[in-house]
Amino acid sequence: GENVEQHPSTLSVQEGDSAVIKCTYSDSASNYFPWYKQELGKRPQLIIDIRSNVGEKKDQRIAVTLNKTAKHFSLHITETQPEDSAVYFCAATADSNYQLIWGAGTKLIIKP
Amino acid sequence: NAGVMQNPRHLVRRRGQEARLRCSPMKGHSHVYWYRQLPEEGLKFMVYLQKENIIDESGMPKERFSAEFPKEGPSILRIQQVVRGDSAAYFCASSRDGTSYEQYFGPGTRLTVT
Repeated sequence: GENVEQHPSTLSVQEGDSAVIKCTYSDSASNYFPWYKQELGKRPQLIIDIRSNVGEKKDQRIAVTLNKTAKHFSLHITETQPEDSAVYFCAATADSNYQLIWGAGTKLIIKP
Repeated sequence: NAGVMQNPRHLVRRRGQEARLRCSPMKGHSHVYWYRQLPEEGLKFMVYLQKENIIDESGMPKERFSAEFPKEGPSILRIQQVVRGDSAAYFCASSRDGTSYEQYFGPGTRLTVT
């Protein structure tokens, strides 16, 4: 079955700098890769996703890249702001039944 | 279009009591997923249901935990004889009918066992 690994577990960056979070997956059949942001005490919210037929997707300051050959995908946040501080989760589809397999999460800290 | 609803938002139970957590999916969604999250930890998958059908319960403890999603009404996660270790945030998420992977989360129920 699918396995998703996420790194780093904690990332601290200076406000205004970029942040990159990486995930690897094991099942080459996975075809959908979402990223969720969870602020303290709140629900996880979908912020961006990518399907396996594209290599990159952007939405303002966030972007996701996918390398199918290497089986990894990354979240890029540029010009980080204090409100970007949160835990970010990546996920990938399982091989059947529309489940998502989740990474362990990355705590992003934006230093003022 | 209302989002995923969960109630109660906070639930306090004494050891040995039962906890019932409810989840109403988004309109038009017929797939429900339940997750447990301990403080400072990730999302742990528990169970995946469609209406009147459990698709995958591989993440659910074998004893004391059960889930259902009836034809009418919300999905229910039931925890019998709660113990302190059951204290956590329980999130449900919903997705569309068999054609979409996107999951949308409810606000969660924070269960505290005293």
